[in-house]
Amino acid sequence: DGGITQSPKYLFRKEGQNVTLSCEQNLNHDAMYWYRQDPGQGLRLIYYSQIVNDFQKGDIAEGYSVSREKEESFPLTVTSAQKNPTAFYLCASNPVQLNYGYTFGSGTRLTVV
Amino acid sequence: QQQVKQSPQSLIVQKGGISIINCAYENTAFDYFPWYQQFPGKGPALLIAIRPDVSEKKEGRFTISFNKSAKQFSLHIMDSQPGDSATYFCAPNWSHSSASKIIFGSGTRLSIRP
Repeated sequence: DGGITQSPKYLFRKEGQNVTLSCEQNLNHDAMYWYRQDPGQGLRLIYYSQIVNDFQKGDIAEGYSVSREKEESFPLTVTSAQKNPTAFYLCASNPVQLNYGYTFGSGTRLTVV
Repeated sequence: QQQVKQSPQSLIVQKGGISIINCAYENTAFDYFPWYQQFPGKGPALLIAIRPDVSEKKEGRFTISFNKSAKQFSLHIMDSQPGDSATYFCAPNWSHSSASKIIFGSGTRLSIRP
């Protein structure tokens, strides 16, 4: 079945450490997104990409980095520069030319220890 | 900055009642009006969506009502059930466009009391 796979489901980060969240999709969608969700809050856009090797900053890109080397993969790195990284991270995708809504992954919960 | 205002922030409804969540937007170029449903610890999932050529769309117990002149659309859940307890987001946007910064509403936490 087609869908988006995020891994790991839970991730613990020590202070000063970089961590990478994985997002893979087999939907043949060209656009992919990363959102951050804090408890009881809405979705805030971190980065998005509509083609391989190209991506744009969202509203809260500071302290994060991404890459898009393959259409199906869009990993997110949370760097040590992100001062408050504890949150629920969601990856999404959709076809660029026909935007009938996003397909979301099941999320990664990142906790700083 | 395009504004999307969702209300109420939280809602408690008795089982069997009607739940109503509203979404107001500013950009008149939007032509796709979806609602997403999110359960705790899960990603949001597309629940129902409407295009501006119709004023209402019904799928089972879920109905979207669209008011183009008021730039608002709402989600109605009839005969609300405990399994409907979730957070709901609206995300009005363009159906034919390149990837862009789609803005989600702030979310409505719905609790259905048995």
